[in-house]
Amino acid sequence: EVQVVESGGGLVQPGGSLRLSCAASGFTFSSYEMNWVRQAPGKGLEWISYTSGSGYTIYYADSVKGRFTISRDNAKNSLYLQMNSLRAEDTAVYYCARLLNYFDLWGRGTLVAVSS
Amino acid sequence: QSVLTQPPSVSGAPGQRVTISCTGTSDNIGAGYDVHWYQQLPGTAPKLLIYGNIHRPSGVPDRFSASKSGTSASLAITGLQVDDEADYYCQSYDSRLRPNWVFGGGTKLTVL
Repeated sequence: EVQVVESGGGLVQPGGSLRLSCAASGFTFSSYEMNWVRQAPGKGLEWISYTSGSGYTIYYADSVKGRFTISRDNAKNSLYLQMNSLRAEDTAVYYCARLLNYFDLWGRGTLVAVSS
Repeated sequence: QSVLTQPPSVSGAPGQRVTISCTGTSDNIGAGYDVHWYQQLPGTAPKLLIYGNIHRPSGVPDRFSASKSGTSASLAITGLQVDDEADYYCQSYDSRLRPNWVFGGGTKLTVL
């Protein structure tokens, strides 16, 4: 089955760090561009980061630039998001999403809550 | 504030037709970038509903259709069903901040 499954969310204090993972299966992971998209409680969708299939090209939204780092391990079919200096406004469900010209495959998401 | 503007809510009775608009600018939809639509059922992840302005992925009923013109796009749902009650998001690409995949703020569809 073609799917992506996120993990690693949880409760973290402001200023803390968290590392999210996304395990892909059912497709040739290295051939696809991958992204992280988040959704704050009761709010809409926000694209936050992109990586090319090789991992050499990376982009970030301004809201997370300098604090979050996207990476991938194609040998392990996995995507990661290292989140540092977390803020209350980073509280959201984080989705791993495969990109064609559109986001065609989404995981179920993992909840990150930033609170003291 | 989202780059793409959608109405916060729409509603319709079962069997009726509803439309959801998505308004952009000359930096995104008006620049020729494709518009895509996603359906998010309550408590679930978004699901691709329409891609490339008008195309339905396999498994999406033909009750769902979409169009694009100028700086706007529109999603139409005919023969409304209770199971269509969900949030709907449009998405495109914005050239002002490269790269920038942008979403609309979402529209809550209520089936009365």
